[in-house]
Amino acid sequence: DAKTTQPPSMDCAEGRAANLPCNHSTISGNEYVYWYRQIHSQGPQYIIHGLKNNETNEMASLIITEDRKSSTLILPHATLRDTAVYYCIVRAYNNAGNMLTFGGGTRLMVKP
Amino acid sequence: DTAVSQTPKYLVTQMGNDKSIKCEQNLGHDTMYWYKQDSKKFLKIMFSYNNKELIINETVPNRFSPKSPDKAHLNLHINSLELGDSAVYFCASSQALLGAYGYTFGSGTRLTVV
Repeated sequence: DAKTTQPPSMDCAEGRAANLPCNHSTISGNEYVYWYRQIHSQGPQYIIHGLKNNETNEMASLIITEDRKSSTLILPHATLRDTAVYYCIVRAYNNAGNMLTFGGGTRLMVKP
Repeated sequence: DTAVSQTPKYLVTQMGNDKSIKCEQNLGHDTMYWYKQDSKKFLKIMFSYNNKELIINETVPNRFSPKSPDKAHLNLHINSLELGDSAVYFCASSQALLGAYGYTFGSGTRLTVV
């Protein structure tokens, strides 16, 4: 898997947009960008993934730069329940031995 | 209706014992996984099974033996438990081994070896 770099922690005010950056400068053409989060004591939760186009779902938006070397996960209106560790992962879609590999993630604290 | 369910949720046992953790998914997925999250909170892949067949065993001691009776179940048996085995173990599943599919995780089993 390509290595990803995320800030270890971030704060966000409740109701504001949370923008979580991720660098993946060595990403390959067959690797998707995935975002997961882990709320305290729970299992990781899938949020969104993308290859090169921006993606949006009911949870978040994913913005991938044109060169694919970085991406940003956007939570448009953060709530206290969004406080969690957010993981940015790149993974090849066509490699059977390529599992989802978690790094340190970004600990997002949403404050009232 | 829980998509990926693990039992038990908590497990406290003595060193040297043998224990099992069960995992079941009702999503119709072909691929299942075991992850370990240690005290430093790093999540590490342990095993991957596709249609009951072992795909990956990531440098896990052979005291850990996964068993997949069918593609909806992946159980983890641990022999001769050691203090260092204390961790939270997560089961996960994905639609297929290949392709851009997300993983669905269970809620974890907290194993404490005393």
